[in-house]
Amino acid sequence: AQSVTQLDSQVPVFEEAPVELRCNYSSSVSVYLFWYVQYPNQGLQLLLKYLSGSTLVKGINGFEAEFNKSQTSFHLRKPSVHISDTAEYFCAVIPKGGADGLTFGKGTHLIIQP
Amino acid sequence: DTAVSQTPKYLVTQMGNDKSIKCEQNLGHDTMYWYKQDSKKFLKIMFSYNNKELIINETVPNRFSPKSPDKAHLNLHINSLELGDSAVYFCASSQDAGRGGYTFGSGTRLTVV
Repeated sequence: AQSVTQLDSQVPVFEEAPVELRCNYSSSVSVYLFWYVQYPNQGLQLLLKYLSGSTLVKGINGFEAEFNKSQTSFHLRKPSVHISDTAEYFCAVIPKGGADGLTFGKGTHLIIQP
Repeated sequence: DTAVSQTPKYLVTQMGNDKSIKCEQNLGHDTMYWYKQDSKKFLKIMFSYNNKELIINETVPNRFSPKSPDKAHLNLHINSLELGDSAVYFCASSQDAGRGGYTFGSGTRLTVV
């Protein structure tokens, strides 16, 4: 089985400041990793994914994430946030082969302060 | 144009009633899912169907029954609704064992009163 830990339930950041949302995972098998964003009263939108290759992946809306196998982490970063980035962010993993489905962390609420 | 569509978007019903939520995807994906998001935003998988065959069935009450008439549709029927069933239910679909990620619908907010 897999588990995902998002260390911060809430992260307040000033507009135009950088942000990092932390994610650690645990799995006995190799996994694919994802970050999703959920805006208020909406569904989940895929921000980016890591399948293999370069450990730094770029996604939509200026976000990027770095996979660190030794630390089993997949932290999400953005160099300069905007008010519109206020949302819930979920880290998720799925075992290669797809069994067990996509497992989510508990989410981090990113609050952008003007 | 909507890739994964759920109906209804909101559902308010009394305890003890039976209700259904419908989901359709037009992406040609071979696997569909139901997730439950609780009041603390935690997302947990409930069911997964691949080409109309049930492949994931997490520990959910027997009152919840998924039905997949074809690979583009996955409906969720709930019998004898309870207060604790109040949540947002998301349908999703994927291809290639999910390596491309899942595509989610916009959710159905179920409120049991």
